[in-house]
Amino acid sequence: RKEVEQDPGPFNVPEGATVAFNCTYSNSASQSFFWYRQDCRKEPKLLMSVYSSGNEDGRFTAQLNRASQYISLLIRDSKLSDSATYLCVVPSSGGYQKVTFGIGTKLQVIP
Amino acid sequence: DAGITQSPRYKITETGRQVTLMCHQTWSHSYMFWYRQDLGHGLRLIYYSAAADITDKGEVPDGYVVSRSKTENFPLTLESATRSQTSVYFCASRNYRSEEAFFGQGTRLTVV
Repeated sequence: RKEVEQDPGPFNVPEGATVAFNCTYSNSASQSFFWYRQDCRKEPKLLMSVYSSGNEDGRFTAQLNRASQYISLLIRDSKLSDSATYLCVVPSSGGYQKVTFGIGTKLQVIP
Repeated sequence: DAGITQSPRYKITETGRQVTLMCHQTWSHSYMFWYRQDLGHGLRLIYYSAAADITDKGEVPDGYVVSRSKTENFPLTLESATRSQTSVYFCASRNYRSEEAFFGQGTRLTVV
Protein backbone atom coordinates (compact mmCIF):
# COMPACT_ATOMS: atom_id res chain seq x y z
CA ARG A 1 0.00 0.00 0.00
CA LYS A 2 1.34 3.44 -0.84
CA GLU A 3 2.09 5.80 2.04
CA VAL A 4 -0.62 8.13 0.84
CA GLU A 5 -3.19 7.79 -1.90
CA GLN A 6 -5.51 10.33 -3.44
CA ASP A 7 -7.93 10.29 -6.32
CA PRO A 8 -6.36 12.69 -8.85
CA GLY A 9 -9.77 13.67 -10.25
CA PRO A 10 -10.60 16.03 -11.80
CA PHE A 11 -13.69 16.77 -9.80
CA ASN A 12 -15.87 19.12 -11.83
CA VAL A 13 -18.54 20.71 -9.65
CA PRO A 14 -20.95 23.62 -10.13
CA GLU A 15 -20.66 26.75 -8.06
CA GLY A 16 -22.41 26.37 -4.74
CA ALA A 17 -21.98 22.61 -4.59
CA THR A 18 -20.47 20.65 -1.74
CA VAL A 19 -17.54 18.46 -2.62
CA ALA A 20 -15.45 16.06 -0.57
CA PHE A 21 -12.07 14.48 -1.12
CA ASN A 22 -10.55 11.56 0.72
CA CYS A 23 -6.97 10.59 1.23
CA THR A 24 -5.85 7.23 2.60
CA TYR A 25 -2.59 6.62 4.39
CA SER A 26 -0.68 3.52 5.41
CA ASN A 27 1.35 4.57 8.44
CA SER A 28 -0.95 3.91 11.37
CA ALA A 29 1.43 5.75 13.71
CA SER A 30 0.96 9.05 11.88
CA GLN A 31 -0.08 11.89 14.13
CA SER A 32 -0.19 15.06 12.09
CA PHE A 33 -1.98 15.53 8.81
CA PHE A 34 -2.44 18.46 6.51
CA TRP A 35 -4.19 19.68 3.42
CA TYR A 36 -2.26 21.96 1.09
CA ARG A 37 -3.67 23.85 -1.84
CA GLN A 38 -1.76 24.30 -5.07
CA ASP A 39 -2.88 26.63 -7.81
CA CYS A 40 -1.82 25.91 -11.36
CA ARG A 41 1.93 26.34 -11.81
CA LYS A 42 2.29 27.82 -8.33
CA GLU A 43 3.79 26.63 -5.06
CA PRO A 44 1.75 24.61 -2.55
CA LYS A 45 0.36 26.51 0.43
CA LEU A 46 -1.02 25.18 3.68
CA LEU A 47 -4.80 25.11 3.67
CA MET A 48 -5.42 23.52 7.03
CA SER A 49 -4.20 21.03 9.58
CA VAL A 50 -6.19 17.95 10.40
CA TYR A 51 -6.71 17.17 14.05
CA SER A 52 -8.16 14.09 15.68
CA SER A 53 -11.20 16.13 16.61
CA GLY A 54 -11.58 17.53 13.12
CA ASN A 55 -10.94 21.06 11.99
CA GLU A 56 -13.26 23.61 10.45
CA ASP A 57 -12.33 26.89 8.81
CA GLY A 58 -15.21 28.68 7.18
CA ARG A 59 -16.44 26.59 4.28
CA PHE A 60 -13.69 24.01 4.75
CA THR A 61 -13.85 21.03 7.09
CA ALA A 62 -11.11 18.46 7.56
CA GLN A 63 -11.72 15.15 9.28
CA LEU A 64 -9.51 12.28 10.40
CA ASN A 65 -10.68 8.67 10.54
CA ARG A 66 -7.96 6.68 12.29
CA ALA A 67 -9.81 3.37 12.19
CA SER A 68 -10.03 3.43 8.40
CA GLN A 69 -6.82 5.44 8.00
CA TYR A 70 -8.06 8.27 5.88
CA ILE A 71 -8.45 12.00 6.07
CA SER A 72 -11.08 14.01 4.27
CA LEU A 73 -11.62 17.56 3.10
CA LEU A 74 -15.11 18.93 2.66
CA ILE A 75 -15.75 22.16 0.80
CA ARG A 76 -19.18 23.69 1.12
CA ASP A 77 -20.70 26.32 -1.17
CA SER A 78 -17.90 25.96 -3.72
CA LYS A 79 -16.55 29.13 -5.31
CA LEU A 80 -14.81 29.55 -8.63
CA SER A 81 -11.73 30.57 -6.66
CA ASP A 82 -11.65 27.13 -5.01
CA SER A 83 -10.47 25.66 -8.31
CA ALA A 84 -7.05 24.20 -7.53
CA THR A 85 -5.29 20.98 -6.69
CA TYR A 86 -5.60 19.82 -3.09
CA LEU A 87 -2.66 17.90 -1.69
CA CYS A 88 -2.96 15.55 1.21
CA VAL A 89 0.12 15.46 3.45
CA VAL A 90 0.95 12.79 6.00
CA PRO A 91 4.05 12.16 8.14
CA SER A 92 6.52 9.88 6.46
CA SER A 93 7.53 6.60 8.02
CA GLY A 94 11.09 7.77 7.53
CA GLY A 95 11.09 10.27 10.36
CA TYR A 96 8.99 12.92 12.01
CA GLN A 97 10.59 15.77 10.14
CA LYS A 98 9.65 14.35 6.77
CA VAL A 99 6.24 14.21 5.22
CA THR A 100 4.76 12.51 2.21
CA PHE A 101 2.60 14.38 -0.23
CA GLY A 102 -0.27 12.81 -2.05
CA ILE A 103 -0.52 13.19 -5.79
CA GLY A 104 -3.24 15.78 -5.33
CA THR A 105 -6.89 16.00 -6.27
CA LYS A 106 -7.80 18.51 -8.91
CA LEU A 107 -10.97 20.51 -8.35
CA GLN A 108 -12.60 22.57 -11.06
CA VAL A 109 -15.56 24.68 -9.99
CA ILE A 110 -17.67 25.64 -12.98
CA PRO A 111 -20.11 28.56 -13.28
CA ASP B 1 12.51 40.58 0.57
CA ALA B 2 11.37 38.32 3.36
CA GLY B 3 10.36 34.77 2.62
CA ILE B 4 11.75 31.93 0.60
CA THR B 5 13.04 32.50 -2.88
CA GLN B 6 14.33 30.22 -5.57
CA SER B 7 16.50 31.01 -8.53
CA PRO B 8 16.44 30.69 -11.39
CA ARG B 9 12.71 30.39 -12.02
CA TYR B 10 13.28 28.76 -15.40
CA LYS B 11 16.30 26.91 -16.70
CA ILE B 12 17.08 24.97 -19.84
CA THR B 13 20.25 22.93 -19.83
CA GLU B 14 21.87 20.19 -21.84
CA THR B 15 22.34 16.59 -20.85
CA GLY B 16 25.56 16.12 -18.93
CA ARG B 17 25.85 19.68 -17.67
CA GLN B 18 26.09 20.56 -14.02
CA VAL B 19 23.25 22.75 -12.79
CA THR B 20 22.75 24.40 -9.43
CA LEU B 21 19.37 25.55 -8.20
CA MET B 22 19.43 28.12 -5.43
CA CYS B 23 17.14 28.44 -2.44
CA HIS B 24 17.27 31.25 0.11
CA GLN B 25 15.06 31.87 3.13
CA THR B 26 15.05 34.83 5.47
CA TRP B 27 13.22 33.32 8.45
CA SER B 28 16.14 31.33 9.89
CA HIS B 29 14.02 28.20 9.66
CA SER B 30 15.83 25.07 10.83
CA TYR B 31 14.46 22.70 8.25
CA MET B 32 14.82 23.02 4.52
CA PHE B 33 13.67 20.64 1.83
CA TRP B 34 14.00 20.05 -1.88
CA TYR B 35 11.14 18.41 -3.77
CA ARG B 36 10.54 17.63 -7.37
CA GLN B 37 7.05 17.56 -8.84
CA ASP B 38 6.19 15.47 -11.87
CA LEU B 39 2.89 14.51 -13.43
CA GLY B 40 1.62 11.32 -11.91
CA HIS B 41 3.99 11.45 -8.95
CA GLY B 42 3.15 14.49 -6.94
CA LEU B 43 5.83 16.03 -4.77
CA ARG B 44 8.77 13.78 -4.01
CA LEU B 45 11.45 14.59 -1.46
CA ILE B 46 14.98 14.74 -2.85
CA TYR B 47 16.99 15.94 0.15
CA TYR B 48 16.33 17.70 3.38
CA SER B 49 18.34 19.49 6.02
CA ALA B 50 17.64 19.83 9.73
CA ALA B 51 20.24 22.58 10.28
CA ALA B 52 23.43 23.99 8.80
CA ASP B 53 25.84 21.20 7.88
CA ILE B 54 23.18 18.52 8.49
CA THR B 55 21.63 17.00 5.39
CA ASP B 56 19.98 13.71 4.59
CA LYS B 57 18.55 11.85 1.65
CA GLY B 58 14.92 11.79 0.78
CA GLU B 59 12.98 9.52 -1.51
CA VAL B 60 14.75 10.30 -4.81
CA PRO B 61 18.32 11.55 -4.09
CA ASP B 62 20.24 9.89 -6.92
CA GLY B 63 21.94 12.36 -9.24
CA TYR B 64 21.60 15.27 -6.81
CA VAL B 65 23.92 16.88 -4.31
CA VAL B 66 23.08 19.41 -1.62
CA SER B 67 24.99 21.51 0.86
CA ARG B 68 24.01 23.80 3.68
CA SER B 69 26.92 25.86 4.93
CA LYS B 70 24.58 28.63 6.09
CA THR B 71 21.13 28.32 7.63
CA GLU B 72 19.50 30.51 5.01
CA ASN B 73 20.81 28.80 1.88
CA PHE B 74 20.19 25.31 0.57
CA PRO B 75 21.46 24.85 -3.00
CA LEU B 76 20.64 21.77 -5.03
CA THR B 77 23.14 20.60 -7.64
CA LEU B 78 22.52 18.23 -10.48
CA GLU B 79 25.98 16.85 -11.08
CA SER B 80 25.36 15.63 -14.62
CA ALA B 81 21.87 16.49 -15.78
CA THR B 82 19.74 13.83 -17.45
CA ARG B 83 16.44 14.18 -19.30
CA SER B 84 14.70 12.34 -16.49
CA GLN B 85 15.55 15.27 -14.23
CA THR B 86 13.32 17.55 -16.24
CA SER B 87 10.85 18.64 -13.60
CA VAL B 88 9.57 21.44 -11.41
CA TYR B 89 11.72 21.78 -8.30
CA PHE B 90 10.37 23.26 -5.08
CA CYS B 91 12.36 24.33 -2.10
CA ALA B 92 10.59 24.55 1.26
CA SER B 93 11.45 25.56 4.78
CA ARG B 94 9.92 25.00 8.18
CA ASN B 95 10.60 26.13 11.69
CA TYR B 96 11.29 23.25 14.06
CA ARG B 97 8.42 24.45 16.28
CA SER B 98 5.90 24.53 13.48
CA GLU B 99 4.54 21.90 11.20
CA GLU B 100 3.72 24.30 8.38
CA ALA B 101 6.13 24.27 5.46
CA PHE B 102 6.57 27.31 3.24
CA PHE B 103 7.45 26.78 -0.37
CA GLY B 104 9.42 28.79 -2.85
CA GLN B 105 7.88 29.63 -6.20
CA GLY B 106 9.58 26.73 -7.90
CA THR B 107 12.20 26.28 -10.61
CA ARG B 108 11.07 24.80 -13.89
CA LEU B 109 14.05 22.84 -15.23
CA THR B 110 14.22 21.37 -18.70
CA VAL B 111 17.07 19.08 -19.69
CA VAL B 112 17.48 18.69 -23.43
